[in-house]
Amino acid sequence: SAVISQKPSRDICQRGTSLTIQCQVDSQVTMMFWYRQQPGQSLTLIATANQGSEATYESGFVIDKFPISRPNLTFSTLTVSNMSPEDSSIYLCSVEVARADTQYFGPGTRLTVL
Amino acid sequence: GESVGLHLPTLSVQEGDNSIINCAYSNSASDYFIWYKQESGKGPQFIIDIRSNMDKRQGQRVTVLLNKTVKHLSLQIAATQPGDSAVYFCAENSQETSGSRLTFGEGTQLTVNP
Repeated sequence: SAVISQKPSRDICQRGTSLTIQCQVDSQVTMMFWYRQQPGQSLTLIATANQGSEATYESGFVIDKFPISRPNLTFSTLTVSNMSPEDSSIYLCSVEVARADTQYFGPGTRLTVL
Repeated sequence: GESVGLHLPTLSVQEGDNSIINCAYSNSASDYFIWYKQESGKGPQFIIDIRSNMDKRQGQRVTVLLNKTVKHLSLQIAATQPGDSAVYFCAENSQETSGSRLTFGEGTQLTVNP
């Protein structure tokens, strides 16, 4: 497994602003992912964070709204841009270790947009 | 892929009873399945997994059953304890050319009554 931390753990933001969420892993991993979990709902994959290249986005998510960086094998960021109240969700980072298929999740970032 | 509902199914059991949580998956090409437990305010925690070449796998107090004929997955928890109260998600993983991709089920809220 892997130990995953996210910053911030929670935030309250104003409409129209942007927030960058950080994900740090304690060991090098092959794959990193970003998910959104809206209140009372399941997890939806936003994108796969690729090291050294542009992220791969799922249908319904675009780079302009959710820019992602992955500068190395242990760190990634997700930015939620030009936020609206509909962006209020939990944002979760997950990692896959050495193509083992199992994904391990960070604690999440709880975002509230006013 | 899996549909995401707005209302979580619920299961309420007495402490000490056995719990069975069910999940229907949609992709017959999925070859790997995972159960996660998510406690309030936390990220999903890996519980147990199973590959498509198996129909049963046991862990500590948990058993996962896979029926590929009807695309059904279940999680059995023996001697359920109050600490087992959480939302449980199944996830299916189908290998694609770009790497693995998890699709989550809607989740089941398990409540254990003392």
